[in-house]
Amino acid sequence: DIQMTQSPSSLSASVGDRVTITCRASQSISSYLNWYQQKPGKAPKLLIYAASSLQSGVPSRFSGSGSGTDFTLTISSLQPEDFATYYCQQSYSTPRGTFGQGTRLEIK
Amino acid sequence: EVQLVESGGGLVQPGGSLRLSCAASGFTFSSYEMNWVRQAPGKGLEWVSYISSSGSTIYYADSVKGRFTISRDNAKNSLYLQMNSLRAEDTAVYYCARSYYGGKAINYFDYWGQGTLVTVSS
Repeated sequence: DIQMTQSPSSLSASVGDRVTITCRASQSISSYLNWYQQKPGKAPKLLIYAASSLQSGVPSRFSGSGSGTDFTLTISSLQPEDFATYYCQQSYSTPRGTFGQGTRLEIK
Repeated sequence: EVQLVESGGGLVQPGGSLRLSCAASGFTFSSYEMNWVRQAPGKGLEWVSYISSSGSTIYYADSVKGRFTISRDNAKNSLYLQMNSLRAEDTAVYYCARSYYGGKAINYFDYWGQGTLVTVSS
């Protein structure tokens, strides 16, 4: 099974900061990597698919990069509504799409 | 508007059974593959099960194989998860999620329900 490891597990930042979250796969997954945002009590929401493609309606301050085993999600200028938990998900071994453990982004 | 609405969650004793439902609307349900994903309290997301659009292909996570059964009724636009031999570690919010395939490397869950809470406790 493909394991996904996110870092950090939690992160404190301020409005306006640039933030980067990393996701590492236990084997190469090409660009089969998605990023989701989840707010408390809500279902996850897709932000980025295929490692770097922005989902329709998602603000352009979100971007993704990487291929193979190492991926990043970057928020260029944090907004108050961005404080949430972020998950990466590999879709290489679909339909068994393993998620990372999550990164909780908190207000500093 | 695409909508997925789960129901059927609740409190059940260890060893008991529960059947979850997911009512789909706003899209041609029979054309889409579907999944169940769960989230234990305060924990991350765990993919549970997948079913193809026709229902002919099914997969399970190892953690639920042999205890859970996914099914669908395309005439009723509904997805189901029959959960037997429930354990405390099955306590979670269960989401149904639609699969989207758009080409090379383009495969993700594009719509999710609001979730239904299953609590396994005596």
